[in-house]
Amino acid sequence: GQSLEQPSEVTAVEGAIVQINCTYQTSGFYGLSWYQQHDGGAPTFLSYNALDGLEETGRFSSFLSRSDSYGYLLLQELQMKDSASYFCASEGSNDYKLSFGAGTTVTVRA
Amino acid sequence: NAGVTQTPKFQVLKTGQSMTLQCAQDMNHNSMYWYRQDPGMGLRLIYYSASEGTTDKGEVPNGYNVSRLNKREFSLRLESAAPSQTSVYFCASNPRDQPQHFGDGTRLSIL
Repeated sequence: GQSLEQPSEVTAVEGAIVQINCTYQTSGFYGLSWYQQHDGGAPTFLSYNALDGLEETGRFSSFLSRSDSYGYLLLQELQMKDSASYFCASEGSNDYKLSFGAGTTVTVRA
Repeated sequence: NAGVTQTPKFQVLKTGQSMTLQCAQDMNHNSMYWYRQDPGMGLRLIYYSASEGTTDKGEVPNGYNVSRLNKREFSLRLESAAPSQTSVYFCASNPRDQPQHFGDGTRLSIL
């Protein structure tokens, strides 16, 4: 099975940097994904790491350390539209199913 | 391009009623999934279908059945709805080794 832990809430001001940590315990691990969800709508894919290191996609970056069973999502130059829930999800090595963390609600203040 | 379409968007049922949630994707994806999302619990996998003709249980399959009708459609059925099944249900699809695409969800309340 898989279990993932991430903080429940983070608040920051516009222009700031936020890091959302995710630790996972898995019986088999292939990669770590990050999804964004606005106001209970459809989750949308942000980033994916299968190998150790940093993946950068515009203002968002994601990092993975397989030896530490740890990853993070870095949100830079925060904007009001970044207020949303962010989920880490681990992908199993046997079946490629996703197991999601409980989500981190990010609130961006003016 | 519609992506993943779920119907209905909202539904209220009485305990014991049956209901089928519909999901269709127009991206020619092999894999399809059904999740439920409850407050503070993230998304939990109910059932998935790795390809047309196959279905497998996820983390929380009890009380649900699924049908992969063809490559496009994957339905979720509640045979006898219970208040504990009040939730938001999301369907998703993906090609192998690619991110999942989600529908807008079905908000289901069971009284």
